[in-house]
Amino acid sequence: GQNIDQPTEMTATEGAIVQINCTYQTSGFNGLFWYQQHAGEAPTFLSYNVLDGLEEKGRFSSFLSRSKGYSYLLLKELQMKDSASYLCAVKDSNYQLIWGAGTKLIIKP
Amino acid sequence: IAGITQAPTSQILAAGRRMTLRCTQDMRHNAMYWYRQDLGLGLRLIHYSNTAGTTGKGEVPDGYSVSRANTDDFPLTLASAVPSQTSVYFCASSLDGSSYNEQFFGPGTRLTVL
Repeated sequence: GQNIDQPTEMTATEGAIVQINCTYQTSGFNGLFWYQQHAGEAPTFLSYNVLDGLEEKGRFSSFLSRSKGYSYLLLKELQMKDSASYLCAVKDSNYQLIWGAGTKLIIKP
Repeated sequence: IAGITQAPTSQILAAGRRMTLRCTQDMRHNAMYWYRQDLGLGLRLIHYSNTAGTTGKGEVPDGYSVSRANTDDFPLTLASAVPSQTSVYFCASSLDGSSYNEQFFGPGTRLTVL
């Protein structure tokens, strides 16, 4: 079967750095996406990786290792508004997104 | 309209009733999707459409039907609602179904079936 694993919840301090990991086992791979979802709102796109390596976008970076079936999202200079759930999703061989259950990130002052 | 809209925002429905959730996008995206999101689970694909006039089944299609008569609209119908269909439903769209195009989500419909 297809599986995406992420930690359920993480806590970090304002101004710090946090890394959210995602491991996947899917039938085929056509890219990995990270989305942010604030409570009661819709998911919004953060990043896309299809090749191995690090993609940097402001305070957020995403890394991919296809051989290890592994990705992480790195958030720097954490702000209170970064408190949200972070969803990892992989596009499988049918070009459909398979979603992880999400990691709830709690930021403390 | 800007982006994707969904209606209603929330609904309480008696079991056995028929219900249609509406979704409209104005981005001229070819592909559209319906997901349900339940606590502790990832988003699960119900149905999708890669282009107007075509639809496909996702991971959890039973009890749901869709149609795609034109590019903009993608309604989801529950023919006879059951309590297990209590969930938050998100409609999404993307330029097409290719690998690199991200999906844009509507605000969601919170549905409770009693």
